[in-house]
Amino acid sequence: KQEVTQIPAALSVPEGENLVLNCSFTDSAIYNLQWFRQDPGKGLTSLLLIQSSQREQTSGRLNASLDKSSGRSTLYIAASQPGDSATYLCATPVLPGGKLIFGQGTELSVKP
Amino acid sequence: AAGVIQSPRHLIKEKRETATLKCYPIPRHDTVYWYQQGPGQDPQFLISFYEKMQSDKGSIPDRFSAQQFSDYHSELNMSSLELGDSALYFCASSWGTETSTDTQYFGPGTRLTVL
Repeated sequence: KQEVTQIPAALSVPEGENLVLNCSFTDSAIYNLQWFRQDPGKGLTSLLLIQSSQREQTSGRLNASLDKSSGRSTLYIAASQPGDSATYLCATPVLPGGKLIFGQGTELSVKP
Repeated sequence: AAGVIQSPRHLIKEKRETATLKCYPIPRHDTVYWYQQGPGQDPQFLISFYEKMQSDKGSIPDRFSAQQFSDYHSELNMSSLELGDSALYFCASSWGTETSTDTQYFGPGTRLTVL
């Protein structure tokens, strides 16, 4: 049974710092891994999706990597800004096109 | 670009009442998923539909039912509401066959409060 874990649960950094968010999964036979951003009480915004055949994806200041052998994905945020403050969740489907299993999320706070 | 639409955005009900949540997927998306997110929790899968047929079922109470219509919109019906049903309900949609690994796009959610 796939389990997804995100550590730490909360992270506070000063503005401008580069940071890494971690996501671990127990079953390395994943199909893809998706990173989401969620503002308080709001919906989930898809940030990046990495297919199982890929090692990384980039979008602007965000870079997500995938290492299936170690069961890890990281989301790198460059030059963090206060507007990046949100909860970041990673998720992976149990089957192609199937339901997503989410991590518990990392609540990021970027201080001005 | 068109996104997933959910209505209503907020809903307040009394215990034992019934609620209906609606989801309109992105055009040409044929798969709809429903998730429930309790306070401080990660989203939990409820049920999904592919081409108007139920494709998977999670921890969805028997009091809940859902369907996908011919225009691909979906409705989640919740009866005999309990206080513990208070949560954010998300709908997501994606495109492709059962072998697809496409992105799931989430709607803004419906916040249900049961008093």
